[in-house]
Amino acid sequence: DTAVSQTPKYLVTQMGNDKSIKCEQNLGHDTMYWYKQDSKKFLKIMFSYNNKELIINETVPNRFSPKSPDKAHLNLHINSLELGDSAVYFCATSHGTDNQPQHFGDGTRLSIL
Amino acid sequence: GDSVTQMEGPVTLSEEAFLTINCTYTATGYPSLFWYVQYPGEGLQLLLKATKADDKGSNKGFEATYRKETTSFHLEKGSVQVSDSAVYFCALDHQGGSEKLVFGKGTKLTVNP
Repeated sequence: DTAVSQTPKYLVTQMGNDKSIKCEQNLGHDTMYWYKQDSKKFLKIMFSYNNKELIINETVPNRFSPKSPDKAHLNLHINSLELGDSAVYFCATSHGTDNQPQHFGDGTRLSIL
Repeated sequence: GDSVTQMEGPVTLSEEAFLTINCTYTATGYPSLFWYVQYPGEGLQLLLKATKADDKGSNKGFEATYRKETTSFHLEKGSVQVSDSAVYFCALDHQGGSEKLVFGKGTKLTVNP
């Protein structure tokens, strides 16, 4: 069983569309994250949720809205997609305490035409 | 704010060569330090970590020592293999309850047979 699974793996869509990326974890972790990796491989945190509550929001445009229906899921909805949103988006989870490593999904490659 | 600086890549080595990837950090407090590895087409995997000064993290022949005096966490391996080809990320765990990982820009390593 995959510990952190993201769907879809690839997403190709047009500018202006609305899309969602889903993340599910079976590790029993309390904290889930979304990261964005740009074309130069630079990784930056976008959001983190702890027990379904938002705890980090890193100056992300409000077109991006995370939703955590339960502790095992953190979905990312993006409205009005722009060219600059093209990137690989990674979901990650952790126990949520200091020093604990984060476990990453395989990423969703979003391409905006 | 907290930041991580790692050596620019790409790095190309022959099999069995010695590897060093430099990483220095700026942080308030005493962060935990991590090396993550990203193989082609995959998410990030924890390679090793160190949680306090002078700790040495090690895994799969890789090592890194937490040096508070030089604020460094350089990654080393005595003899690299073709299968070590990947992108390596140095990261710190921002202390104080936000559990936010701050990543360096990544270093791409290619090992030739």
